[in-house]
Amino acid sequence: QLQLQESGPGLVKPSGTLSLTCTVSGGSTSSSNFYWGWIRQPPGKGLEWIGTIYYSGSTYYNPSLKSRVTISVDTSKNQFSLNLSSVTAADTAVYYCARHRGGYDSSGYYRANYFDYWGQGTLVTVSS
Amino acid sequence: DIQMTQSPSTLSASVGDRVTITCRASQSINNWLAWYQQKPGNAPKLLIYKASSLESGVPSRFSGSGSGTEFTLTISSLQPDDLATYYCQQYNSYSYTFGQGTKLEIK
Repeated sequence: QLQLQESGPGLVKPSGTLSLTCTVSGGSTSSSNFYWGWIRQPPGKGLEWIGTIYYSGSTYYNPSLKSRVTISVDTSKNQFSLNLSSVTAADTAVYYCARHRGGYDSSGYYRANYFDYWGQGTLVTVSS
Repeated sequence: DIQMTQSPSTLSASVGDRVTITCRASQSINNWLAWYQQKPGNAPKLLIYKASSLESGVPSRFSGSGSGTEFTLTISSLQPDDLATYYCQQYNSYSYTFGQGTKLEIK
């Protein structure tokens, strides 16, 4: 059974960098069948996609966060990571990592689709 | 970005009721739509993908329909365990977006 587990600091100072790692077990980040993504949820609010990475290192970011986000993958450790720079209180949220299932679109292009496995989430608070 | 709008925002229903949640896209997304269930304190769980395909292990009382810009999630006979917030998500574009959620309450 695939499992994902987020890890990282629960408190980050304003203007600092939020860094999280997702460790995958029961599956492989080097599989060409799947992508790996980050999603966040501010307290009491809805879901926001942050970005997605493929085993090859190709990345896709939310345009609203693109200037501050970096996602990387370490297939040797079966992990992928999120860095979000210049954080403010608005970045306080539960951060989820998830497997982003791949599939072919109507043009025959292989791409990331929906999220089929999620980590339990980790609350990151931005505060001094 | 493609905007996803769900209605209603909150829904109260009784056990055994048929429940329908609507999700509208700001432009056509063909059938590239997923539905998730999020119970309080838990991560979201995939219910439906490609608008109407039931994820393995999800009870058959859940079903999805629609294409283009309008989609529905239906629970045929509401159960107490269905207390949750439900989200739709489009994957027509590389900027994946979610609806704002529909909170389902049990009367």
